[in-house]
Amino acid sequence: QKEVEQDPGPLSVPEGAIVSLNCTYSNSAFQYFMWYRQYSRKGPELLMYTYSSGNKEDGRFTAQVDKSSKYISLFIRDSQPSDSATYLCATSGGSSGSARQLTFGSGTQLTVLP
Amino acid sequence: DSGVTQTPKHLITATGQRVTLRCSPRSGDLSVYWYQQSLDQGLQFLIQYYNGEERAKGNILERFSAQQFPDLHSELNLSSLELGDSALYFCASSGHQRGGDTQYFGPGTRLTVL
Repeated sequence: QKEVEQDPGPLSVPEGAIVSLNCTYSNSAFQYFMWYRQYSRKGPELLMYTYSSGNKEDGRFTAQVDKSSKYISLFIRDSQPSDSATYLCATSGGSSGSARQLTFGSGTQLTVLP
Repeated sequence: DSGVTQTPKHLITATGQRVTLRCSPRSGDLSVYWYQQSLDQGLQFLIQYYNGEERAKGNILERFSAQQFPDLHSELNLSSLELGDSALYFCASSGHQRGGDTQYFGPGTRLTVL
């Protein structure tokens, strides 16, 4: 079993729709949660960063973390064709002093249709 | 633009050969991380350096090695290349060794082994 599971999609939605992307993780030590966006195999671009449980909003994007259920979500409101990309969830964490490498989900491919 | 640079963008070589990938972190960042992205394995952590010292190893093959130089740029050396080494190789940088830091990715090097 992978430490971070993500539905690979593909997911196709009409422009203006609300998009929900989700990941689950298994390691209780994970404390930091991120969403990256990757266009056409280019470098992943950091979208959202959350520490521990809770919500974080940035423009049209909202990230949610529920540590009790080990569930991570990203919501995109008023989706645009330019949002079409692969979205990767990532986690990190561990005991004090350890390195903070990211563990990624497999990515969800999103297409927003005009 | 994340501020992380990687060269070369593309590399085509033959099995058994050796290549070197180069990464320059964002100005002021001390940590460099290397990741491999293949179609079947997704994004996987390889190795981390912090201010010239190795800090963590992930799924890095013995044929692969890395180093970080005094000017903080890093090189990833891949030797005795196999067809399965064909992948995108990303480096990321962050400002801190410990948890809570965000990682910014470079544009990647696409390696093709023929």
